[in-house]
Amino acid sequence: EIVMTQSPATLSVSLGETATLSCRASQSISDLAWYQKKPGQPPRLLIYGASTRATGLPARFSGGGSGTDFTLTISSLQSEDSAIYYCQPYNTWPPALTFGGGTKVEIK
Amino acid sequence: QEQLVQSGAEVRKPGDSVKMSCEASGYTFTNYYIHWVRQAPGQGLEWVGTINPGGGSKFFAPKLQVRVTMTRDTSTNTVHMGLNSLKSEDTAVYYCARGGRNAQWSDYMDVWGKGTTLTVSS
Repeated sequence: EIVMTQSPATLSVSLGETATLSCRASQSISDLAWYQKKPGQPPRLLIYGASTRATGLPARFSGGGSGTDFTLTISSLQSEDSAIYYCQPYNTWPPALTFGGGTKVEIK
Repeated sequence: QEQLVQSGAEVRKPGDSVKMSCEASGYTFTNYYIHWVRQAPGQGLEWVGTINPGGGSKFFAPKLQVRVTMTRDTSTNTVHMGLNSLKSEDTAVYYCARGGRNAQWSDYMDVWGKGTTLTVSS
């Protein structure tokens, strides 16, 4: 089973600043998705293919990385970006899906 | 537009069974796998299992595979997920989500239902 480790657990960032979230895989993976989760709402796909933005996602969200180390960057942080962010590898075998433990982004 | 509509909240006692549904619309139901993901209170996201609405094949999380069932009804574009021998630890919001690519088991999820809250309590 691929284990995904996200860091930091909590990130406090001022409005307008940049948040950088990390996701590390226990073994090399070929693809990664990022989701945003707010209380009372379903997860929202942000990024797939490690760096491709989902339809309608603002350009201030960007994803990068390969192999075992991936990042999600949120620039010009806005109040509505306060949420928990999860990473998820895919194109894995066996196809048991896993999620990272999440990073909570708070507005400082 | 593509959407998944889930059934309403459920309350069960330990040892009971539950069945919840996820109705798809706005796309070809049989072309995209449906994944179930749950989130217990204060916890992260946990994958439950996946079903291929086209052929009906399934793949479950190892810790749940003896207790979970999934079926699909192509006449109503609906997937059903059942969980038996319920425990308090099964208390969670259960989401169904569509795989983002045509007929891929291990996939990202691009369309999500609003979730079904399951409470297991004596």
